[in-house]
Amino acid sequence: DSGVTQTPKHLITATGQRVTLRCSPRSGDLSVYWYQQSLDQGLQFLIQYYNGEERAKGNILERFSAQQFPDLHSELNLSSLELGDSALYFCASSVWDSGNTEAFFGQGTRLTVV
Amino acid sequence: AQSVTQLGSHVSVSEGALVLLRCNYSSSVPPYLFWYVQYPNQGLQLLLKYTSAATLVKGINGFEAEFKKSETSFHLTKPSAHMSDAAEYFCAVSGNNQGGKLIFGQGTELSVKP
Repeated sequence: DSGVTQTPKHLITATGQRVTLRCSPRSGDLSVYWYQQSLDQGLQFLIQYYNGEERAKGNILERFSAQQFPDLHSELNLSSLELGDSALYFCASSVWDSGNTEAFFGQGTRLTVV
Repeated sequence: AQSVTQLGSHVSVSEGALVLLRCNYSSSVPPYLFWYVQYPNQGLQLLLKYTSAATLVKGINGFEAEFKKSETSFHLTKPSAHMSDAAEYFCAVSGNNQGGKLIFGQGTELSVKP
């Protein structure tokens, strides 16, 4: 158990809908990262928050947004969903936001858009 | 910019044989390098990391990797494969001032034959 909790584990929804994925980082970790894993794109960095502030942005679509709350949990919002958004979405957390810090991954949320 | 290339999307070895998974990186800054393992339906678990200390890094489960700057490589090895090593392995790169985000390779699926 990495200590990172993601809910829900599975999500099935229709095209055009909006969903929210939730992540609770390890106790004491200030940094939260979101990654998308799909067969064609592999593991892609989406966005990072550090202590409530956006720290870095990757290949995140404009239809997607995220935030980190004062209690440090994070939510990833996906809207106007398309079939191609079906993927495994991982949250990871680390103590700091430096490159040599180990990131701990949750078990992921598997999103299926039908 | 940073990138990672993993040579071979699928590697198959016999139980007891040497495991060698190849990773080459590209980075405009001194890199931090990581190997993660993903078991089916699970999140990613850190095997080992290079953070500019010793070039030969030992990790969990008998794995080790050697950082070779001249070859821009960070190959993962294990002297003797075990059935439980069957999983997907990801090489990743980060760097200072990158915020801790990871850039992943495409992954290598390791199969272990009895």
